[in-house]
Amino acid sequence: DAMVIQNPRYQVTQFGKPVTLSCSQTLNHNVMYWYQQKSSQAPKLLFHYYDKDFNNEADTPDNFQSRRPNTSFCFLDIRSPGLGDAAMYLCATSETRGSSYNEQFFGPGTRLTVL
Amino acid sequence: TQLLEQSPQFLSIQEGENLTVYCNSSSVFSSLQWYRQEPGEGPVLLVTVVTGGEVKKLKRLTFQFGDARKDSSLHITAAQPGDTGLYLCAGAKINNAGNMLTFGGGTRLMVKP
Repeated sequence: DAMVIQNPRYQVTQFGKPVTLSCSQTLNHNVMYWYQQKSSQAPKLLFHYYDKDFNNEADTPDNFQSRRPNTSFCFLDIRSPGLGDAAMYLCATSETRGSSYNEQFFGPGTRLTVL
Repeated sequence: TQLLEQSPQFLSIQEGENLTVYCNSSSVFSSLQWYRQEPGEGPVLLVTVVTGGEVKKLKRLTFQFGDARKDSSLHITAAQPGDTGLYLCAGAKINNAGNMLTFGGGTRLMVKP
């Protein structure tokens, strides 16, 4: 019954070593989001895809990139992780076609540790 | 910049007590969502309120959307240890890039047995 799936749940990487986090969804939603959440804080939007259109938040560092090869999958690439990038990364989806409720459905998250 | 202020930030209460969490903004939202997040997991959607003045109940949880659609509250009756978690409110607006959420800062609730 999993709707938004994130792999891996836990990722350890070394300072400066590229890492990719993945998200897949079975909801067929047209919008996918990536958030960064640090301890005891609200999620912070990094970017999102509206269908194939990529929308970057103004304050998202260039170190963070994303790919969406098809409707179901979306990837977060961190090119050179720093210690400050250690966080929980959340993927979410929503459907805009025919919906005015703007609900977002979140995956379980990937906790990234940078050594 | 849209801001959603959530209060209190932290709340520690005994089992059986009642509590209210507030979410306030100067912006009007098309809808407002409440999420609960447990440690190490993603936020889980509890409810969406859409109409000004709307009240929704989910067992012991009562959600209210302000008449002007700028604020909301979550009231929990007879809190249980299982209610422990981070509660997030999020206001929603539609723009031509999709449906965007503005999150409140969260309320960390601990219910002690």
